[in-house]
Amino acid sequence: QVQLQESGPGLVKPSGTLSLTCTVSGGSISSSNWWSWVRQPPGKGLEWIGEIYHSGSTNYNPSLKSRVTLSVDKSRNQLSLKLSSVTAADTAVYYCARIAGHPTYWGQGTLVTVSS
Amino acid sequence: QSVLTQPPSVSGAPGQRVTISCTGSSSNIGAGYDVHWYQQLPGTAPKAFIYGNINRPSGVPDRFSGSKSGTSASLAITGLQAEDEADYYCQSYDISLSGWVFGGGTKLTVL
Repeated sequence: QVQLQESGPGLVKPSGTLSLTCTVSGGSISSSNWWSWVRQPPGKGLEWIGEIYHSGSTNYNPSLKSRVTLSVDKSRNQLSLKLSSVTAADTAVYYCARIAGHPTYWGQGTLVTVSS
Repeated sequence: QSVLTQPPSVSGAPGQRVTISCTGSSSNIGAGYDVHWYQQLPGTAPKAFIYGNINRPSGVPDRFSGSKSGTSASLAITGLQAEDEADYYCQSYDISLSGWVFGGGTKLTVL
């Protein structure tokens, strides 16, 4: 059973960079699939941030593309998300997930608050 | 504003049938891309309840069913139970955005 676990700072200062890691266990990140990041502001809906293939190919949400960088570390079976120039509007629960295809897998999510 | 449109809320009494709609466009659902449905309980990650428009993952009650027609899709729940009270989201792919899109979510209340 594939499991995903997000980790990283829970508090980021405005104008700073949000950095999160997702560790994949129970399966190889090099399996033939795309790995996504999804976020959910408190009390609001889901927003797709972007996806990355194990080769490093990426697709980003156009609304976030200028600030997002996704990367993959196959040796550690980890995914990484960096979101720059953050504001309070970036406060959300961030999920790593495999949503391209079935079955889908989601991490438990991690709350990141942008505040000084 | 979400690319896929869902009603903010629906409600029904125990035992009744409710449907949740998901309206897209010619660049996503209407383009032939599959629709998936998730159930999200408070404080938890979304859980797949319907994939590929009509398929139920193992463990999901057969009271849940999905359909798709044109630029829209629907999730139907029959024999409502208190445990069905949750938020439901639809998901599809959008060729214009070259990425995944979600509906705004629908809160199901069991009266």
